[in-house]
Amino acid sequence: QKEVEQDPGPLSVPEGAIVSLNCTYSNSAFQYFMWYRQYSRKGPELLMYTYSSGNKEDGRFTAQVDKSSKYISLFIRDSQPSDSATYLCAMSDSGTYKYIFGTGTRLKVLA
Amino acid sequence: NAGVMQNPRHLVRRRGQEARLRCSPMKGHSHVYWYRQLPEEGLKFMVYLQKENIIDESGMPKERFSAEFPKEGPSILRIQQVVRGDSAAYFCASSPRAAQETQYFGPGTRLLVL
Repeated sequence: QKEVEQDPGPLSVPEGAIVSLNCTYSNSAFQYFMWYRQYSRKGPELLMYTYSSGNKEDGRFTAQVDKSSKYISLFIRDSQPSDSATYLCAMSDSGTYKYIFGTGTRLKVLA
Repeated sequence: NAGVMQNPRHLVRRRGQEARLRCSPMKGHSHVYWYRQLPEEGLKFMVYLQKENIIDESGMPKERFSAEFPKEGPSILRIQQVVRGDSAAYFCASSPRAAQETQYFGPGTRLLVL
């Protein structure tokens, strides 16, 4: 079993839809949770960075962490074709720099 | 304010040759991390370096791979005697001060071994 599980997709949605992306994990020591966006043939770009449980909002993006269920989510409101990319979740435990990544979910937002 | 820079962006090598990948961290960042991304897989941690020191190389294969971050100049990931299985995207990330700071990634070097 992988430490971090993420549905690879692809996930296709119409423009303007609310998108929900998710990761589950097995290591209860994880404290830091990140979401990166990666366009084709580019490097990962940090979208959201959260510590421990709760919600964090930034513009059209909301990150949720539920440590009791070992489940994290990224919501994208009013999705745009420019949001089409692969979304990677990453996490680490306290005091470590080793990010553990999910395999990524490919998202397509159709105009 | 330039981000993390990597070069070359694409590198083609024949089996048995050496590959040398370079990474310049963001200005003010003294912590560098290398990750490898194989097709259909997530990024995997390889090595963590500070200036002139390798802090953790636990994710790096014991043979043929080495990394350095000299006092002057970029960090270098070196792969000797490349094999086809080394074909992957290699990403460098950097962070400002402590290791727990957010990591910012470069555009990657895509290595193809023929």
